[in-house]
Order: sequence, then C-alpha cells, then structure tokens
Amino acid sequence: AQTVTQSQPEMSVQEAETVTLSCTYDTSESNYYLFWYKQPPSRQMILVIRQEAYKQQNATENRFSVNFQKAAKSFSLKISDSQLGDTAMYFCASSAGGTSYGKLTFGQGTILTVHP
Amino acid sequence: DVKVTQSSRYLVKRTGEKVFLECVQDMDHENMFWYRQDPGLGLRLIYFSYDVKMKEKGDIPEGYSVSREKKERFSLILESASTNQTSMYLCASSYRGNTIYFGEGSWLTVV
Repeated sequence: AQTVTQSQPEMSVQEAETVTLSCTYDTSESNYYLFWYKQPPSRQMILVIRQEAYKQQNATENRFSVNFQKAAKSFSLKISDSQLGDTAMYFCASSAGGTSYGKLTFGQGTILTVHP
Repeated sequence: DVKVTQSSRYLVKRTGEKVFLECVQDMDHENMFWYRQDPGLGLRLIYFSYDVKMKEKGDIPEGYSVSREKKERFSLILESASTNQTSMYLCASSYRGNTIYFGEGSWLTVV
C-alpha cells in the first residue's frame, strides 16, 4: 500500500519569488514513481514533473525542480520565479511501476496562490 | 494530439438512477483508470483496467462498477446513484512507464 501526505493545505508567494511545496510518502514498492500534478481552475490535470525512484538525480523542468530524499521518503517541489499562471492546486502522487503503473495514490493537495 | 475524452462534463441525476460515465482514449493504452476527486481528500482510485474485460478494484469501489468491452473505452457505472456520490470523476489512461493522461473530468450531482 502507498500513502502520500501533503501537510500544507494552502501556500502563497509573491510573483518572481521562490516557493517550496512539501510532500512525504510511504511505499513498500522497490520500483516506483513520484509525480507533481498541477490542477488549475479548469480542473485539467497537468503533469509538472516526474521522478523515477531508482534515479538519484533530482528531476527538473524549467522553473520546476524537486528535492527527492529517498531515505526520508520526501519529495518536495520548488517553483522558481513564480508566475501568476502558477496559481493552482498542486498534487503530489506516487505509482508503482510495472503493470500497475498509473495506479496513482494522491496527496490531499496544496492550493498555491501567486500574488502580483 | 493525444486525448482522453469524457463525454459528459456536467450531469445532474436523481437518487436511485443508474448513471453511466464514459471515457474514451485514442492512444491504444492498455491501462485505464477512474478516480474520484473530493475537497480535502485529493483523488482516490475507484477502479482500474489493465486490458479489455479485465478490471481491478481500487481504494473506493463500493457503489461502483466498470465495463471495458473495447480497449479504447472504459465506463464507470453507478448502479443506484446516491447523494454521497456527488463528486468530480476523472478518467486517465497510461501505457507502461510513460505519461499518464487525464480527461477533463465529469461533474456529477445526485439530488
């Protein structure tokens, strides 16, 4: 079984500044993936970043990067140079690999508001 | 452009009605999923299908069933809708270790 916990229900940041969203997880799988999804008001789920657990190097996608601490089971998302369009709900999620890939376990979500 | 399409975006149904939520993907994906999203709970997996006519219960299958007669279509069925099934339902599909695609969601209100 997998669990994902996001302890920050809401966060806010000024435009152009940096913000970090926290996520901890637990899993018994040896082969697993971690994700951050963004959900704007349209409700479309948008993949922000994906980390394969066997890779030690932290994933990055432009202004988005993660701090993956495998031993601590922590997977935080850093957003640099925050933009107004980053305002959204952010979900942390995990999935086993193999044939169960895509069976996502989600955290409760963090609402991020970027202020001008 | 890849797509997961949920044909019904907004539905209002009466308690006790049978409800069908349809999801179609055009990517020949093996895996398809139904999630339910509620405030403060995130998304929770209802059912999962890894092939035609194959299904597996997720975390909250009670009150739901599914059908997958063709690879591209995965239907969620509420046999007798109840007010506690008022929610947003999201369909997703994936192929092995690649990108997981989500539909735009179906808002269901049961009155």
